[in-house]
Amino acid sequence: DIQMTQSPSSLSASVGDRVTITCQASQDIDKHLNWYQQKPGKAPKLLIYDASNLETGVPSRFSGIRSGTDFTFTISSLQPEDIATYYCQQYNNLPPTFGGGTKVQIK
Amino acid sequence: QVQLVESGGDVVQPGRSLRLSCAASGFTFSLYGLHWVRQAPGKGLEWVAVISNDGSEKYYADSVKGRFTISRDNSKNTVSLQMNGLRGEDTAVYYCARQGRQWLAFNIWGQGTMVTVSS
Repeated sequence: DIQMTQSPSSLSASVGDRVTITCQASQDIDKHLNWYQQKPGKAPKLLIYDASNLETGVPSRFSGIRSGTDFTFTISSLQPEDIATYYCQQYNNLPPTFGGGTKVQIK
Repeated sequence: QVQLVESGGDVVQPGRSLRLSCAASGFTFSLYGLHWVRQAPGKGLEWVAVISNDGSEKYYADSVKGRFTISRDNSKNTVSLQMNGLRGEDTAVYYCARQGRQWLAFNIWGQGTMVTVSS
């Protein structure tokens, strides 16, 4: 199975800050990575697909980039409504696997 | 609108069985693979199973292989998960999810249904 190592596991930032989350795949997954946002008590929501493409309707402050097996997710200016846990997920190989999640809180 | 609605979650004793269902609407059901993904309380997301659009292919996580069975009825726009031999570690919210642009990705999720395995 492909392991997705996501960091940090949690972070605290101020409104307006730039927030960065990373995910490293244990082997090549090409660009086959999604980023999801999950708010408490809710289902995950797709934000970024194919490592860097913004899903329709998702604010442009969210972005993603790939460098080899390293993937970075960025919120350019943190907003109060962005408080959530974020997950990466690879879909290059069966079984699809998720990173451990990053809980984002407001400082 | 595109929607997935799960049902069937319950409290069951270890070793017992439970069947979850997911009703789809707002899209051409027979064109998409469907997944089950679960989340134990306070934990991360774990993929459970997938069924192809025509039901010909099914794959399972090692943790549920031989105990869980995924199926679908394209005439009723439903996908089901039959769970046998339930264990405490199966306690989780179970989400139904539709494949995205690639069949192992998820772009639409249901609201989830809670399964608690406890004596």
